[in-house]
Amino acid sequence: KAGVTQTPRYLIKTRGQQVTLSCSPISGHRSVSWYQQTPGQGLQFLFEYFSETQRNKGNFPGRFSGRQFSNSRSEMNVSTLELGDSALYLCASSPAMDRPAQYFGPGTRLLVL
Amino acid sequence: AQSVAQPEDQVNVAEGNPLTVKCTYSVSGNPYLFWYVQYPNRGLQFLLKYITGDNLVKGSYGFEAEFNKSQTSFHLKKPSALVSDSALYFCAVRATTSGTYKYIFGTGTRLKVLA
Repeated sequence: KAGVTQTPRYLIKTRGQQVTLSCSPISGHRSVSWYQQTPGQGLQFLFEYFSETQRNKGNFPGRFSGRQFSNSRSEMNVSTLELGDSALYLCASSPAMDRPAQYFGPGTRLLVL
Repeated sequence: AQSVAQPEDQVNVAEGNPLTVKCTYSVSGNPYLFWYVQYPNRGLQFLLKYITGDNLVKGSYGFEAEFNKSQTSFHLKKPSALVSDSALYFCAVRATTSGTYKYIFGTGTRLKVLA
């Protein structure tokens, strides 16, 4: 089985721009969750999607949004980028909702200049 | 406030010795607790979880964790450390807020196993 894939792997943007990251879960997995990892704030939970609906959410501003498609692929969007959004963004997939994230993708490293 | 604490930034242990990585938590209700490991260039991996049942939970790569409700702790352990266990370890808890969940991670503990 193919693992969790994330695209792109690296991204450079400037302040004020917006960015969209993509995550394809393991085949058959219906839950996708997103995380931000920075040296200063550590690892933080962004949100979880299941059956195309956001089910759980962390403490991030509304600039961070996501969606999930009928094939369970998910996208995360960050609008009006700030320097502090520079981070490694990880997604994970699980077979069902409210399960701990068990299978992570390699991440997208975002640099905001 | 619901939180997770990993009091040690780094733990050094000699190969073959037992290792412990500490984690304490503060949540309302029953805690759902997890350990993850991040190897260099290999991404984040799930090690084990505690939801209910036995206080000693076994996970991947020979790791286990002991849940202690009275001390609100969930320490990660391994009887005999390997150099390949050197990595960054995260403890996490699932917290409930207004009927939805969020996952709170500790700041991470870097484990260094010395040959």
